[in-house]
Amino acid sequence: QQPVQSPQAVILREGEDAVINCSSSKALYSVHWYRQKHGEAPVFLMILLKGGEQKGHEKISASFNEKKQQSSLYLTASQLSYSGTYFCGTGSGGYNKLIFGAGTRLAVHP
Amino acid sequence: GAGVSQSPRYKVAKRGQDVALRCDPISGHVSLFWYQQALGQGPEFLTYFQNEAQLDKSGLPSDRFFAERPEGSVSTLKIQRTQQEDSAVYLCASSLLPFLGLPGETQYFGPGTRLLVL
Repeated sequence: QQPVQSPQAVILREGEDAVINCSSSKALYSVHWYRQKHGEAPVFLMILLKGGEQKGHEKISASFNEKKQQSSLYLTASQLSYSGTYFCGTGSGGYNKLIFGAGTRLAVHP
Repeated sequence: GAGVSQSPRYKVAKRGQDVALRCDPISGHVSLFWYQQALGQGPEFLTYFQNEAQLDKSGLPSDRFFAERPEGSVSTLKIQRTQQEDSAVYLCASSLLPFLGLPGETQYFGPGTRLLVL
């Protein structure tokens, strides 16, 4: 089952904050966040594991609530370079198959 | 090489033609994945290799799709008798280890092959 991402799209002014959510109906072992710019490969941002803590990457951080089977990506003080589509990929254990959500489009304007 | 590479980057095929898409994973990466990404959607799993063994092909949409990785490095995704619904971006990804559950272990994607079937 594909995880559900919300919102579908976000428009920000530079410096504003945003939260992107990813929820699954299946028990999760890991959540992987990627950003993809138009016509480019998805770029890995971070991974959260079951039992793991909140992770951070510059001004981008994420949390993983195992009970609710949800993860949230926090973008603070957004920059123009943050524009793109954000995908969460969920793993349910086993080797490494990821199921991706439909994506959240983020546009940051000056 | 430094990253995952794919070729060709763009492919236009007439309906009914066979196509072959190539993926060069990061050197030494054990796991290799193929995904199909439709316009405006997330990547959708097609198949997975651990070295040369194809351990999961549950995502291949039909028997027209075939993938191989004979020597455990380069992989080829072949689509026979292409149909218009096969038009999509085909992404290849690799990871160092067989299991994604280790901290920091994830998949690294190539730039994709954009296939257009007319």
